[in-house]
Amino acid sequence: KQEVTQIPAALSVPEGENLVLNCSFTDSAIYNLQWFRQDPGKGLTSLLLIQSSQREQTSGRLNASLDKSSGRSTLYIAASQPGDSATYLCAVLNQAGTALIFGKGTTLSVSS
Amino acid sequence: GAVVSQHPSWVICKSGTSVKIECRSLDFQATTMFWYRQFPKQSLMLMATSNEGSKATYEQGVEKDKFLINHASLTLSTLTVTSAHPEDSSFYICSASGRTEPYEQYFGPGTRLTVT
Repeated sequence: KQEVTQIPAALSVPEGENLVLNCSFTDSAIYNLQWFRQDPGKGLTSLLLIQSSQREQTSGRLNASLDKSSGRSTLYIAASQPGDSATYLCAVLNQAGTALIFGKGTTLSVSS
Repeated sequence: GAVVSQHPSWVICKSGTSVKIECRSLDFQATTMFWYRQFPKQSLMLMATSNEGSKATYEQGVEKDKFLINHASLTLSTLTVTSAHPEDSSFYICSASGRTEPYEQYFGPGTRLTVT
């Protein structure tokens, strides 16, 4: 059974810092991996999607990498801003494309 | 990007009543829709998967007679919580996926259900 773990569970940083969020998964047979952002009481916003054949994806200040063989992904946020404060969720899609399994998330707080 | 809406965004109901939540894909045909539940400070838990015109597939431990899912068209799925109890209070989120790869799921904004 696929399990997704995110470390750390919470992170507080001052504005301007670069930071890394970690995600690991137990079954490397995945179709893709997605990083989401969730603000309190809100739905999910998709940040980056990495196909199983890809190594990384970039969008603005965000860079996500994927090492499928070792079951790891990282989300790199450059020059963090207070507006980046949110919970970041990692999720892997099974090979059949039918089930998206989520980690518990990393709650990020960026202080000004 | 694809847009998914949910209605209502929040609802309060009394114990024993039923509540229906709608999930709509606004600008694409969603062959598959997913329903998730999220408890405070917890991650999303998949409840069920529904394909248009078929019966939903429920995850282990989810009562199909309590959480009725209907996916009658390519743009609409509904979740009905029957005979609601306070422990059903939660944040319910739906997502929708199209026919083609990469099978990306697009999420709705969620519905906060409070059962008193």
